[in-house]
Amino acid sequence: DTAVSQTPKYLVTQMGNDKSIKCEQNLGHDTMYWYKQDSKKFLKIMFSYNNKELIINETVPNRFSPKSPDKAHLNLHINSLELGDSAVYFCASSHNNQGEKLFFGSGTQLSVL
Amino acid sequence: QKEVEQNSGPLSVPEGAIASLNCTYSDRGSQSFFWYRQYSGKSPELIMFIYSNGDKEDGRFTAQLNKASQYVSLLIRDSQPSDSATYLCAVTRSGATNKLIFGTGTLLAVQP
Repeated sequence: DTAVSQTPKYLVTQMGNDKSIKCEQNLGHDTMYWYKQDSKKFLKIMFSYNNKELIINETVPNRFSPKSPDKAHLNLHINSLELGDSAVYFCASSHNNQGEKLFFGSGTQLSVL
Repeated sequence: QKEVEQNSGPLSVPEGAIASLNCTYSDRGSQSFFWYRQYSGKSPELIMFIYSNGDKEDGRFTAQLNKASQYVSLLIRDSQPSDSATYLCAVTRSGATNKLIFGTGTLLAVQP
């Protein structure tokens, strides 16, 4: 029973393509997040949704568009992929919107060629 | 100045020793402090959190917080090779909506 699951685990694609990453949590948490971890291990928040409502939108290019159909799901769509988008993207959830005690998914390694 | 700073390491300690991991933060309004462990190729996992000045112990782990010095540390007693991982310090940034800000992590290598 995976608490936070995201797919796919690996994504290799060409520049300019559009791709999506899906995330689901079965913990009953109210808040979900997308984090990006670069090659130097720096983990940076991108978006946060609380009960399907966007509450955090960091300085992220508008090529990135999150969608939360319900509080258990948070997807990330990326348009016109660029080389600099290559990173590991982690979905996470927490009980409330205080940004604390995050439970992470296993990550999606995105490689843009 | 980075919001959360950690020495990237690697910090190498012999098996059975105490590993001491340190973190400083810039936001004086921060209220909550966390340590996550991340094994290579895996996702971060919460191992300790602390809210008040002083020490908090959980098994072999002790978190220490000094808000006046804006300093958080993690001590791992009786270090084991299985403790070898990157340890990420995280701090909530105060504001209308709290955000968890991570440091870049310290790589710990426990030598058998």
